[in-house]
Amino acid sequence: AQRVTQPEKLLSVFKGAPVELKCNYSYSGSPELFWYVQYSRQRLQLLLRHISRESIKGFTADLNKGETSFHLKKPFAQEEDSAMYYCALIQGAQKLVFGQGTRLTINP
Amino acid sequence: DAGVIQSPRHEVTEMGQEVTLRCKPISGHNSLFWYRQTMMRGLELLIYFNNNVPIDDSGMPEDRFSAKMPNASFSTLKIQPSEPRDSAVYFCASKPSRRNTGELFFGEGSRLTVL
Repeated sequence: AQRVTQPEKLLSVFKGAPVELKCNYSYSGSPELFWYVQYSRQRLQLLLRHISRESIKGFTADLNKGETSFHLKKPFAQEEDSAMYYCALIQGAQKLVFGQGTRLTINP
Repeated sequence: DAGVIQSPRHEVTEMGQEVTLRCKPISGHNSLFWYRQTMMRGLELLIYFNNNVPIDDSGMPEDRFSAKMPNASFSTLKIQPSEPRDSAVYFCASKPSRRNTGELFFGEGSRLTVL
């Protein structure tokens, strides 16, 4: 079965330190992966998608098919990065399957 | 556009009562999704509709849960009877089904507490 796993429920780092939020997936085929973010008192929203190979708010994520991973990285964390982050996989034409989420806290 | 609109934002009810959550998708979006968010399980897909037709309801936990989409601008998720373990935040999301970008547009959620 297709599955997304985020092994860390909570992650806390200091401002200016590098951040890596882990995501592993299981999928029989060519996966399409995404990161969503939910800031405090805001709606869950798309952060980035792997096919775009983009950097959003300093975050990047590389799809590693050998390790079946799609970790989210940022070299220098900022306080405004504190949020809930979800990794997601699209299954079939439309079904988006999410991981359990990681709450990231950036300490000043 | 106000985005996806959900009501109520908060609901506190007693075990055994019927709960109805409502969702208005973004105009022009013809795919609608219901998710449940809990600390333990994260975001779980309950059901989704395409052009008002339920496509996949395999995530609906049990018969106590039902969802309808009578027209393109309205959907309901009903729990009858409710139980304390149903306490969660329920999200509705929509997307235009023509564009398969993986981007869902979420509502603000309905926080349900069943006592």
